[in-house]
Amino acid sequence: GNSVTQMEGPVTLSEEAFLTINCTYTATGYPSLFWYVQYPGEGLQLLLKATKADDKGSNKGFEATYRKETTSFHLEKGSVQVSDSAVYFCALSDRSSASKIIFGSGTRLSIRP
Amino acid sequence: DTAVSQTPKYLVTQMGNDKSIKCEQNLGHDTMYWYKQDSKKFLKIMFSYNNKELIINETVPNRFSPKSPDKAHLNLHINSLELGDSAVYFCASSQGEPGDGYTFGSGTRLTVV
Repeated sequence: GNSVTQMEGPVTLSEEAFLTINCTYTATGYPSLFWYVQYPGEGLQLLLKATKADDKGSNKGFEATYRKETTSFHLEKGSVQVSDSAVYFCALSDRSSASKIIFGSGTRLSIRP
Repeated sequence: DTAVSQTPKYLVTQMGNDKSIKCEQNLGHDTMYWYKQDSKKFLKIMFSYNNKELIINETVPNRFSPKSPDKAHLNLHINSLELGDSAVYFCASSQGEPGDGYTFGSGTRLTVV
């Protein structure tokens, strides 16, 4: 079945550091890939997405590239801010699973001033 | 104007009680979902409805019963609440295509005592 594996947290960085959160997936078809962010006490918000191989999703300085050859969708940001502290979820969706989204286990990110 | 709204935001109740959580979306989406997030932030899909029809029913105790009176509403009724039901429950909606992503509500924190 489809699944998503992302790096375990927590990840703690200093402000302006470079961020990478690794994500790999297993899927039978050609899934769409997503990163969602959850700020404390809130619901999940779509951060970025990519729907086919080699697509790059980007938003708010975050980027992720759909790599079919390595089945990966790593999240990166060049210079993190304190306000980026949140839990980040990698996820996939495809037609074989009635378009339901399967989430990774989440990575908690904390940024020190 | 809240896109996906859930009520109540917090729910504290005793074991054995029956409770309902309501969800409404004003995005015109055809598909709605219920997810459960446990204390470790793991997200698991419970149900999905497309235009009032049940399309996903994961392995969930039959004490949980979703009801969709119209495509803008998906309520969750829980009978005979147990301690293990304590979690945050998220409602979400989408147009139903794999690449669409979901719009989430802000969650209902259920605590069973």
